[in-house]
Amino acid sequence: EVQLVESGGGLVKPGGSLRLSCAASGFTFSSYSMNWVRQAPGKGLEWVSSISSSSSYIYYADSVKGRFTISRDNAKNSLYLQMNSLRAEDTAVYYCARLFKWYCSGGSCQYYFDYWGQGTLVTVSS
Amino acid sequence: QSVLTQPPSVSGAPGQRVTISCTGSSSNIGAGYDVHWYQQLPGTAPKLLIYGNSNRPSGVPDRFSGSKSGTSASLAITGLQAEDEADYYCQSYDSSLVVFGGGTKLTVL
Repeated sequence: EVQLVESGGGLVKPGGSLRLSCAASGFTFSSYSMNWVRQAPGKGLEWVSSISSSSSYIYYADSVKGRFTISRDNAKNSLYLQMNSLRAEDTAVYYCARLFKWYCSGGSCQYYFDYWGQGTLVTVSS
Repeated sequence: QSVLTQPPSVSGAPGQRVTISCTGSSSNIGAGYDVHWYQQLPGTAPKLLIYGNSNRPSGVPDRFSGSKSGTSASLAITGLQAEDEADYYCQSYDSSLVVFGGGTKLTVL
């Protein structure tokens, strides 16, 4: 059974840092791209960052670029999100999600999120 | 402002059919990227509902269906049930980055 379990959330002051972790089990972690998606209280889903299976390709939303760093440790089946210079608007539930490669055609591939963790709450407040 | 536009809310009575639209542009849905749909029940994580525009994962009832045309996509729910009350999100790609719709709250009257 695929399981994604986030941890590391909590209350932090503006300008502070926090490191989120996502422990994966039930599948070959090193074969999948992984993502972080967040949801501010009462708001919709916002994609945050993506990392390929071997960490060769990393992408960030403009809203977190330069402040957040995504990484993974395939030996530990773990995904991380280092969050620095946190702002009030970063307050959200952070989900880790597995990206499934459905098919490739004409040089591009189609992906979707097939499994999500339960989320961890990050609150940025003084 | 989300890249993909969804109506904030829709509603329907039990047994009825409702549709949720997801409108994009030539840089995302219109560029050939597939559209996927997620259901988020209150207080829970999102769950994959439809992938690749119109495909249902195992365990998703056939009351849920998806379609895509041009720069838009739609999610249809027939035989509405009380447990369908949730938030629904469409997702695609834009310039190779993930984009979500703003979400639609479905209320079962």
